[in-house]
Amino acid sequence: GESVGLHLPTLSVQEGDNSIINCAYSNSASDYFIWYKQESGKGPQFIIDIRSNMDKRQGQRVTVLLNKTVKHLSLQIAATQPGDSAVYFCAENLRGYQKVTFGTGTKLQVIP
Amino acid sequence: GAGVSQTPSNKVTEKGKYVELRCDPISGHTALYWYRQSLGQGPEFLIYFQGTGAADDSGLPNDRFFAVRPEGSVSTLKIQRTERGDSAVYLCASSPGTSAYNEQFFGPGTRLTVL
Repeated sequence: GESVGLHLPTLSVQEGDNSIINCAYSNSASDYFIWYKQESGKGPQFIIDIRSNMDKRQGQRVTVLLNKTVKHLSLQIAATQPGDSAVYFCAENLRGYQKVTFGTGTKLQVIP
Repeated sequence: GAGVSQTPSNKVTEKGKYVELRCDPISGHTALYWYRQSLGQGPEFLIYFQGTGAADDSGLPNDRFFAVRPEGSVSTLKIQRTERGDSAVYLCASSPGTSAYNEQFFGPGTRLTVL
């Protein structure tokens, strides 16, 4: 079927290695950031979030880092698995608004 | 439990026709969102409902697009006089409360193709 990852930047990693996906966000007034995973033919799935008063948050095998000085967000996936293959989007919220603004996405390919 | 469902999964229509896309949110979720995703792009916000009312419709591209949620549950996105540029995947999401920090749960989307 049609790939949601068409024309997106692609990151290829070996199974078992760590992955780092980067995102530059646009609005210095954003105070909430979310990483989503989207597999082909499915809707985005929440992975992890972070508020602007934090610079690091950890989940199961995932870590999000936030650098507000340079408006940069990263997602680290430990011990990458084939099931992690998908398109990853960062998203941001302005304080007080429900509207989520998505970035352009990165396609992660895990090589078995 | 059941997630967000969207119908139809695929819709093919001709330019100029009217279409309706349906979203069934997770039971009890008061917030509902519509997004549009073009090929190779991230989802683009269209409209947000809190209960029955549209709290933010700033993402609707023009007056051909309209959405309703009359009973605070199911929502319908309506597109009049469809154009080829409306072809995209239309995603619906719901979340349990009024906080922007609540996780949004997405449905699988409706793929709209305008010929």
